[in-house]
This record gives sequence, C-alpha cells and structure tokens, in this order.
Amino acid sequence: EADIYQTPRYLVIGTGKKITLECSQTMGHDKMYWYQQDPGMELHLIHYSYGVNSTEKGDLSSESTVSRIRTEHFPLTLESARPSHTSQYLCASSGANYNYGYTFGSGTRLTVV
Amino acid sequence: DAKTTQPPSMDCAEGRAANLPCNHSTISGNEYVYWYRQIHSQGPQYIIHGLKNNETNEMASLIITEDRKSSTLILPHATLRDTAVYYCIVRGNSGYSTLTFGKGTMLLVSP
Repeated sequence: EADIYQTPRYLVIGTGKKITLECSQTMGHDKMYWYQQDPGMELHLIHYSYGVNSTEKGDLSSESTVSRIRTEHFPLTLESARPSHTSQYLCASSGANYNYGYTFGSGTRLTVV
Repeated sequence: DAKTTQPPSMDCAEGRAANLPCNHSTISGNEYVYWYRQIHSQGPQYIIHGLKNNETNEMASLIITEDRKSSTLILPHATLRDTAVYYCIVRGNSGYSTLTFGKGTMLLVSP
C-alpha cells in the first residue's frame, strides 16, 4: 500500500548534535512538505518542495535545511540541535491532482536535551 | 488564502451527528474548502473538500452555503474514534498553493 514514512518516530538527542529526520513516500508524489508542531499548538509549514532539486522555505522561519535529490525522499537536517528545536515534525506529500489533498506521515517527535 | 474561524471545542454524544461549523467570509471564487482532522498528534488526515456544491464521501458530508461564506462538516454517526481536532482550511486552486492550518475545533465524542 502506498504510504509516507517518517523515521525515527521518537528521538532524544543532546544539544549541539547534527540530526537528520527522514521522510520517504512511495506514491510518486512530486510535492512534499515539512510542518512543525509544538504540543497543543498549530502546525506551521517550514519547508516544501515542488520536485527534484526544488526547495522553498515555508511560513515559519526554521534553522533546519532540506534537500530533494530523489522524488521519494525529502530529509530534514538540523546542523546543531538546540532545546528550542524540541517539537514534532510532520512530513506530507501531494500529487499532481492536488485536489486530493495531502498525505501525512506519523511524525517525528524530537526532544533536544 | 482566506482566513477561517472555527469554535475551539465541541462535544457530541456517540452515535449522534456531529456538525462542525466554519466561517470563511473572505473566500474568493476560486478557493476550495478543505477539512482535515488530527487524532492525538498523529499526522493530519484528509477528510473532504469542496468548491460550492455539497459533497459526501465515506467519512463525512460537507455543506457549503450558497454565498460560500461558511460551511459545515457533518459526521453522521460519531464514534469515540472521531475524537480529534478538526481543521477547516481554505486553499487556492493552484497546484502550488500550500495548506495553512489554524487552531481547529477539538471535537470530543462521549459515550
């Protein structure tokens, strides 16, 4: 079954470490997105991509970076994690027929100590 | 994209219909109304969308007023598993439009 996968599901890491959150989809979607959500708060778009080698910054400024070298893969990297980066990160994708909405992954819950 | 207004919370008894309202008075003619829900901080799940006609699928019905300034999501027979935050989002018809989530409505379905 086509789906979107995020790993790890949970991550606890020390300040200053470099981390990469993985997101892969098997639906051949050209558009992919990263949202950040603090507990009990709204989702905020931090990065998106319209296809290979395309990346854009979202509405919320983020110290993270993304890359899109393959259609199915859209990893998010933090070069030096800080406690302020503690949050849930949700990846999503959408296809050419955007009217069918976004498909979201289960998220990565990041805690920086 | 137009802004939406939703009540912060609603209650519903199990088995009854849940009617979730959304105001989008500044919606423009080419903007769609989308509904998503998020169960306990999982990834949001697409429910339904519409432009001006009422829509129904296996999950819910969407009723859009004739002037398109408001809409109602209807869950015909709510179950405990429908407890979630429901988001009403207005989005342009370009394939390059992104989804902007607001605070949504927390629906609590009780036995």
